[in-house]
Amino acid sequence: QQQVKQSPQSLIVQKGGISIINCAYENTAFDYFPWYQQFPGKGPALLIAIRPDVSEKKEGRFTISFNKSAKQFSLHIMDSQPGDSATYFCAALDRGSTLGRLYFGRGTQLTVWP
Amino acid sequence: DAGVIQSPRHEVTEMGQEVTLRCKPISGHDYLFWYRQTMMRGLELLIYFNNNVPIDDSGMPEDRFSAKMPNASFSTLKIQPSEPRDSAVYFCASRYEAGQPTRSSGNTIYFGEGSWLTVV
Repeated sequence: QQQVKQSPQSLIVQKGGISIINCAYENTAFDYFPWYQQFPGKGPALLIAIRPDVSEKKEGRFTISFNKSAKQFSLHIMDSQPGDSATYFCAALDRGSTLGRLYFGRGTQLTVWP
Repeated sequence: DAGVIQSPRHEVTEMGQEVTLRCKPISGHDYLFWYRQTMMRGLELLIYFNNNVPIDDSGMPEDRFSAKMPNASFSTLKIQPSEPRDSAVYFCASRYEAGQPTRSSGNTIYFGEGSWLTVV
């Protein structure tokens, strides 16, 4: 059972446009939501993360929007650039659990055309 | 810090052969994860360890897969015998949580660059 559902599977955006990737979860115990970015031939790397006590977190052109009541969160990439072309994974963690594992979405392959 | 180190980076092997993938986590990290990535199934957690002890191996596809962590600085993932459907990228990742004054600093998982396995 997929603990974190991610959409779309792939996304094509023109340079300068806004890229939006959405994720949803069911487990209300999740209290940490990171996004990972993966370039071809590399491992995923942490991009930005949010805790549920805030509704939005912004770092440069990257913004996470969080809707606790809907159990959804999304990544917005403003002014998308060809260098942003990568696979993006959302994830969720229950920090109070002793299990210590992160649950990942299936990933979104983003292509930004110049 | 050198990051998570995996070897080999690329391996091509014949069906039926034994494959051993190796991982050196970041020094001091107390969690180690093995993931498999394919186009069809995305990023799958195979097994993970806390302080060298396996915590959850429910993601290991079948008995042909085994993983060990003999000490805090080394882990192996073994496939015996290998099959073409095992072709994938295998990632090792590590994380530090123990002794943190706040849990937030221990939430980041650091991935290696992966071992690209092709079984023909």
